[in-house]
Amino acid sequence: QVQLAQSGSELKNLGASVTVSCKASGYSFMTHSLNWVRQAPGQGLEWMGWIDTATGSPTYAQGFTGRFVFSLDTSVSTAYLQISTLKAEDTGIYYCAREVKWLDHWGQGTLVTVSS
Amino acid sequence: QSALTQPPSASGSPGQSVTISCTGTSNTFGGYNYVSWYQQHPGKAPKLMIFEVTKRPSGVPDRFSGSKSGNTASLTVSGLQAEDEADYYCSSYAGSDRFVFGGGTKLTVL
Repeated sequence: QVQLAQSGSELKNLGASVTVSCKASGYSFMTHSLNWVRQAPGQGLEWMGWIDTATGSPTYAQGFTGRFVFSLDTSVSTAYLQISTLKAEDTGIYYCAREVKWLDHWGQGTLVTVSS
Repeated sequence: QSALTQPPSASGSPGQSVTISCTGTSNTFGGYNYVSWYQQHPGKAPKLMIFEVTKRPSGVPDRFSGSKSGNTASLTVSGLQAEDEADYYCSSYAGSDRFVFGGGTKLTVL
């Protein structure tokens, strides 16, 4: 069955960097794009962008350019989200999700907490 | 402010039906019929409930149904059950901009 397994919670200081991983299994990794979605504490879902798993080409939503980087390691069917120069407002749960023109499978989420 | 507008809350008693609306524009729906709905219980990841406006993934009860008229999509939950209490989000595939979400609706089963 399709599974997206994300890395564990992270506690980081202001200005640090963090990398969240999303390991896919149960399907051919390069046949479906992966999307990233953020959920700030007590807030709704916010689409961050997507990465074409066939080409590695990322697309970022407005508000997620500059400090956010999507990447892949196709040899281990894993996508990565790197956030640099962390700010307090980056605190939240980050989800990866497989795309089929809708998001049919989601990772369990990774809580990133930015502390001052 | 989300590009898709949902009511912040909805409620109904067990056994009743409740409908949650999702209003956008022709731009946010992009002329596509790729409206989807997600259920999220507290502390859990979102779960796909409806895709392509009206279709249910395998395993989703037929108590959940979707529709769309003009620039408003709707999710109807019939025969409400306690486990339906959750947050619900609509979303639209918008082509190169990919996805936009509604602000979410908290469904309370009274």
